Parts: sequence; structure tokens; C-alpha cells
Amino acid sequence: QSALTQPASVSGSPGQSITISCTGTSSDVGGYNVVSWYQQYPGKAPKLLIYEVSKWPSGVSNRFSGSKSGDVASLTISGLQAEDEADYYCASYERSVTYVFGTGTRVTVL
Amino acid sequence: EVQLVESGGGLVQPGGSLRLTCATSGFTFSNDWISWLRQAPGKGLEWVANIKPDGTDKYYVDSVRGRFTISRDNAKNSLYLDMSSLRAEDTAFYYCAISRDHSFDYWGQGTLVTVSS
Repeated sequence: QSALTQPASVSGSPGQSITISCTGTSSDVGGYNVVSWYQQYPGKAPKLLIYEVSKWPSGVSNRFSGSKSGDVASLTISGLQAEDEADYYCASYERSVTYVFGTGTRVTVL
Repeated sequence: EVQLVESGGGLVQPGGSLRLTCATSGFTFSNDWISWLRQAPGKGLEWVANIKPDGTDKYYVDSVRGRFTISRDNAKNSLYLDMSSLRAEDTAFYYCAISRDHSFDYWGQGTLVTVSS
């Protein structure tokens, strides 16, 4: 149950697109199409942004999009806005109804 | 409106025990898997445990198996986490969350557990 690997930080200017990677193994990310992504502001609970690799929960902006290739999942934020400055975490089903999270990425809007 | 409210956190000595409660409303509790997750201060998220809607199946992260027990009372729309043999590394904010489609789509606000002498 080792954490998935994410870059510690990613930054971009308003209006740009940025991509956050989430690297796992064939036992988690690569083995199942159930990667999810979460946004967390300081002192707040996480919020679900993407589930099952690329699906949006109701009410989530389509500026957030997800994809997966092999053992690497990605979250792309298009049209970056100041309000997107937050921490982002990926998560994957691992085995036997257990789950593993990524190490987290701090997004900074320049 | 879906609501999950955790309670029961606090300061406990190493080796001690604590029970967390997650009171829920606004959805059909007995239909959903529910999870406990945690986040050490300034650190990343960690899934801790989950429980099947009828309470018959339970799963745990390796680091808490044998020390923590997840349970639920569908009549009270409540989830519990009994924690024993607590260690300093268990210090964290503990969240409950509804698990649907192998994701965590509604979260509580969290309750802080501090293990320290």
C-alpha cells in the first residue's frame, strides 16, 4: 500500500492549462479504471473532482478533466483561475476493496 | 442536503483508545459503503477503512488492521471507528466519507485525534 507519486508542486498563469500526474503500478492505477481526483483548500475537507478516471460528479466544472495511460493518471486544469490554487490528490482502487492516495500536489496560480 | 458530522476526537495517550462517530443525514445511509480516511497535520490523505452497507464486510489499511474497528448502525444513520493501541503516528484529522463508484464523494469536516503523552 505505497502512496501513488505526484509532483509536489505545479504552477501556471491565469488562463493557462496545467497537468498533474499520478504514477502508480499495475496493482493500482494500471490495473483498474477507478482513479479519482480531489481538491482540498487549507483547513477544509477534500472535494471530489473526477471519478472513474474521467467522469465528473454533478456540479464540478468541466475545466477539470482526467485521463489515464498505463500506470499513470493525469488531471488537467484548463483555463486556470485564482480559485484553483489548492492541493490536489489522486486516489486509486488497489485490491480487495482497499484504496491508496497520491502524495498530493500544491497548485499555485502565478 | 447530504451531511456527515464527525465527533469524538481529542487528546489521548499512546496505547490508549478512542471512539469516533460519524452522524449522517440527507441520504439513504443503509444503501452506501462508508469510509474513514485521515490526514496527519500538513500531510497527505490516507484511506483507513470502509464498511459494506449491511456491515458484513470491512476492510482496513495494513497500518491499522487489528487495532481499529469500523462499524455502523443503520438504524441511527451512524458510522463508528473504535481505535485502540493508539500510536503517535495515528495523530491526524479523521474524516468519514460516502464511497460510491470507488471514490469518496461526500466528506465530513473532520475531527482531530492527537496521540501524545
